[in-house]
Amino acid sequence: GNSVTQMEGPVTLSEEAFLTINCTYTATGYPSLFWYVQYPGEGLQLLLKATKADDKGSNKGFEATYRKETTSFHLEKGSVQVSDSAVYFCAAGGTSYGKLTFGQGTILTVHP
Amino acid sequence: GAVVSQHPSRVICKSGTSVKIECRSLDFQATTMFWYRQFPKQSLMLMATSNEGSKATYEQGVEKDKFLINHASLTLSTLTVTSAHPEDSSFYICSATQRGYNEQFFGPGTRLTVL
Repeated sequence: GNSVTQMEGPVTLSEEAFLTINCTYTATGYPSLFWYVQYPGEGLQLLLKATKADDKGSNKGFEATYRKETTSFHLEKGSVQVSDSAVYFCAAGGTSYGKLTFGQGTILTVHP
Repeated sequence: GAVVSQHPSRVICKSGTSVKIECRSLDFQATTMFWYRQFPKQSLMLMATSNEGSKATYEQGVEKDKFLINHASLTLSTLTVTSAHPEDSSFYICSATQRGYNEQFFGPGTRLTVL
């Protein structure tokens, strides 16, 4: 099955700093890759996704590129805001039923 | 589109009682629904996968007699925690997808506290 490894947190940044959260995966075949965000006390929201190699997912200033050669899907944002403080989950999905494998999550805190 | 709701959002119950959590897809037919459990500051742990009209498939280590899952229609799945105990206290999240899709749509979660 698939497995996903995320950069350990927590990550603490100042507002307008550059963000990178690393994510690597192992899989048989070529899974779709996702980043989800979870705000305190809430469920998960899809942040972005990529379905094949070299695809770039982007949303709300966040980007991640599906790198087959390095089996990675690192999340980046050029200038974080306080409102980006949340938990970020990388996930891989590989079946038509949509079963996902999640990374352990990375807590991001952005200070003013 | 693709909205999933959960009810209740929070529930507090006494030890030994049973609690039912509902998960609904509001604007699409969910052929498959997933139930997750999340402990504080941890990742989501998949508990079971349910396909409409079929018995749920439970992940290893999840007690099927304790966590009863029913997916009787294409828009509703329920998770019943039977004879709940304090160690069952957790955040339970459902998600839903359609056949042929590989994206899941998540509900807002249900916070269960067992006293």
